[in-house]
Amino acid sequence: QVQVVQSGGEVKKPGASVTVSCRASGYIFTDYYIHWVRQAPGQGLEWMGWISPNSGGTDYAQKFQGRVTMTRDTSISTAYMELSRLRSDDTGIYYCVRVGSGTCGPWGQGTLVTVSS
Amino acid sequence: QLVLTQSPSASASLGASVKLTCTLSSAHSSYAIAWHQQQPGKGPRYLLKVNSDDTHNKGDGIPDRFSGSSSGAERYLTISSLQSEDEADYYCQTWGTLWVFGGGTKLTVL
Repeated sequence: QVQVVQSGGEVKKPGASVTVSCRASGYIFTDYYIHWVRQAPGQGLEWMGWISPNSGGTDYAQKFQGRVTMTRDTSISTAYMELSRLRSDDTGIYYCVRVGSGTCGPWGQGTLVTVSS
Repeated sequence: QLVLTQSPSASASLGASVKLTCTLSSAHSSYAIAWHQQQPGKGPRYLLKVNSDDTHNKGDGIPDRFSGSSSGAERYLTISSLQSEDEADYYCQTWGTLWVFGGGTKLTVL
């Protein structure tokens, strides 16, 4: 079945970088975009950006421009989201989600990133 | 500026129906949106896409109890025959290359 499975939780110090992976299975990886969304504790959903696994093209939310980098490795059907210069308010759950032209989902299970000194 | 507005909370009785609203900023009233459900302690789940022409497209495995509609700048999610597991946060989100989320509506099933 179609799945996107994310990497495990991370604990990072302020100023460090974190990379979260999103491994796809059950479909042709390059046929769908991957979007990244985060959720701070007790808060709503916040869009970070997307990557086209086919072309490698990306688009990032203005808030994260300069700190986020989205990449992919088509040989292993995996997308990556790297966030640098971490701050305490970057603590939260990070999700990837598959998106097509007329459909969305599934969402990944989420990756908890904790930023603490 | 593209903004989606949702009421923070809603409630309805078990077995009843509820209609949640997502309002687009006036300059973006023709946009399609998506609805996502997030049950307590879980990740989001895509429910359906609502188009400006009042049609909707559901995700795989989404029960028929969930439907979408639109009127002007408003996009709706209707849940009929409410069940206890429908108690969740519901988020609307713009459809396209630039995503914006509404603030979410917390639905309580009484």
